[in-house]
Amino acid sequence: NAGVTQTPKFRVLKTGQSMTLLCAQDMNHEYMYWYRQDPGMGLRLIHYSVGEGTTAKGEVPDGYNVSRLKKQNFLLGLESAAPSQTSVYFCASSAIRGVADTQYFGPGTRLTVL
Amino acid sequence: RKEVEQDPGPFNVPEGATVAFNCTYSNSASQSFFWYRQDCRKEPKLLMSVYSSGNEDGRFTAQLNRASQYISLLIRDSKLSDSATYLCVVNNNQGGKLIFGQGTELSVKP
Repeated sequence: NAGVTQTPKFRVLKTGQSMTLLCAQDMNHEYMYWYRQDPGMGLRLIHYSVGEGTTAKGEVPDGYNVSRLKKQNFLLGLESAAPSQTSVYFCASSAIRGVADTQYFGPGTRLTVL
Repeated sequence: RKEVEQDPGPFNVPEGATVAFNCTYSNSASQSFFWYRQDCRKEPKLLMSVYSSGNEDGRFTAQLNRASQYISLLIRDSKLSDSATYLCVVNNNQGGKLIFGQGTELSVKP
């Protein structure tokens, strides 16, 4: 049981390049989330999904797109990377909606945009 | 004003010390509260939920004061392995979204 996995673990991009971050969970969770973490800012929600085929914007969605074609996968895309998107990206998942549901996080992707 | 605010620290304490972290939240409609722990360059992991009646898990005690919109975490008999960043987290029951504080860094020294 791997929990939540993320690929890649590290990536360096040049400004303007595109990439996709993959998140996969094997816990049959309905909810999935993408966060970014920057020094002094805490984790900020980029996009989230409440089920297969659905996505919604979080706190900082600009410059990112997402897709949830399969329940177990949640993809985060950067169409034209900018240095401001240098960050650590965490994916998380949680079970059927409950106010107190725990979110389980993946190990993170460290992205640098030059 | 940030929705969830914490003292960023760092807190540098000797082994065996008792240390307390505080957190305030701005949305009075917030419904559930948590403390997460994050080790250096790792993912956050749930430490404990916080209930109105207060709750304890071994050396860790969490308290919630809804009237003051205040959450606390007390760590007794600190261990070297407690060194980490502690994140105060609030769920406003909006699609299961969590609001994270910026974290309080704890360093326990021998």
